[in-house]
Amino acid sequence: EIVLTQSPGILSLSPGERATLSCRASQSVNNNYLVWYQQKPGQAPRRLIFRASIRAAGIPDRFSGSGSGTDFTLTIGRLEPEDSAVYYCQEHGSSSWTFGPGTKVEIK
Amino acid sequence: QVQLQESGPGLVKPSETLSLTCAVSGGSVNHYYWGWIRQPPGKGLEWIGHIYYTGITNYNSSLESRVTISVDTSKNQLSLRLRSMTAADTAIYYCARWNEGMDHWGPGTLVTVSS
Repeated sequence: EIVLTQSPGILSLSPGERATLSCRASQSVNNNYLVWYQQKPGQAPRRLIFRASIRAAGIPDRFSGSGSGTDFTLTIGRLEPEDSAVYYCQEHGSSSWTFGPGTKVEIK
Repeated sequence: QVQLQESGPGLVKPSETLSLTCAVSGGSVNHYYWGWIRQPPGKGLEWIGHIYYTGITNYNSSLESRVTISVDTSKNQLSLRLRSMTAADTAIYYCARWNEGMDHWGPGTLVTVSS
């Protein structure tokens, strides 16, 4: 079973700054089947990125994904106040579609 | 627009079986994978398992001995059964459609395990 590790646990930045979130897998993720979600308090998660780098419909272009193999990155180009949320990665290249523990992004 | 709605008891006694239903509207269950995910209060997401509309399932190995996911194409809904509930199973339970990631989610239903 693939284990996903996300870092940092908490990221505190100011509006307009760039956020870089990491997701590392214990084994290579087949076909880069890696998804990023955003979850705000009291809401269900929202899919942002799939196949590591493809932005889902309706997602602002300040969100971008990159990486392959075991190392993946979600970048938020210029933080907006509404980007305050917890971000999760999920792999589905194996039979177990596990989630990472999440990174909380706080906007100062 | 596809909409999902979970339903079931909000309170379950220890050792009992949880049964949840997810009604799908605005679209068909056919030709998609569907998943159940849970989130303990204040904690992260846990994938429970998923099912293809044909009935093929895949479960989290840590829950596999207690969980059953099924789909009813005639009713356009999916179901979750989780046996031998304990306090550790207290969580918000979500159903979601899989389409290169979970692209549509239900609002979630809080299930508390308590006597």
